[in-house]
Amino acid sequence: AQSVTQLGSHVSVSEGALVLLRCNYSSSVPPYLFWYVQYPNQGLQLLLKYTTGATLVKGINGFEAEFKKSETSFHLTKPSAHMSDAAEYFCAVSGYGNKLVFGAGTILRVKS
Amino acid sequence: DTGVSQNPRHKITKRGQNVTFRCDPISEHNRLYWYRQTLGQGPEFLTYFQNEAQLEKSRLLSDRFSAERPKGSFSTLEIQRTEQGDSAMYLCASSKGRSNQPQHFGDGTRLSIL
Repeated sequence: AQSVTQLGSHVSVSEGALVLLRCNYSSSVPPYLFWYVQYPNQGLQLLLKYTTGATLVKGINGFEAEFKKSETSFHLTKPSAHMSDAAEYFCAVSGYGNKLVFGAGTILRVKS
Repeated sequence: DTGVSQNPRHKITKRGQNVTFRCDPISEHNRLYWYRQTLGQGPEFLTYFQNEAQLEKSRLLSDRFSAERPKGSFSTLEIQRTEQGDSAMYLCASSKGRSNQPQHFGDGTRLSIL
């Protein structure tokens, strides 16, 4: 069985500040991990993925995430927030079956 | 790559009516997934196809729900005798056939039950 916990349903940062969105997972098999972003009334857009290999993963729009097996974490970061980053972010895990199990999401607010 | 296309974008219907949604995946993707997303929640898995074969169904998919993927191309999701609790965003995604391949999502169909 797999599950995802996203700490903090809402995160607020100032423009230019560090963005940190937390994700912890549980998986009975080696996990594949993903971060998606969702803008209002739209589908989900893939930011980045971890499958195997390098544990620091770089994605689109300056985002990156680090897979830490010992902490069962896959936190998403961006050094400098931009107004256009305001959206809802979802962490997801999949195993051999490839279906995704999502966290409840974190809404990111960026203040000017 | 034209992306995953879903139709209609919005559907409003009365309780008890039947509704059908369509999903056109990315052309070279042989896996197709359906998810349901309610307000304030992450998407929840409903079912998936590899080519035309429906390989897994969630317990969320009651007997009022049926999904098809004839000829392994587009897919339809039908809900019979809709209930208030069916109001949600229905998302379709597609991917290539390996488990580590990311899923690409459409913009969803928002269903509202009056």
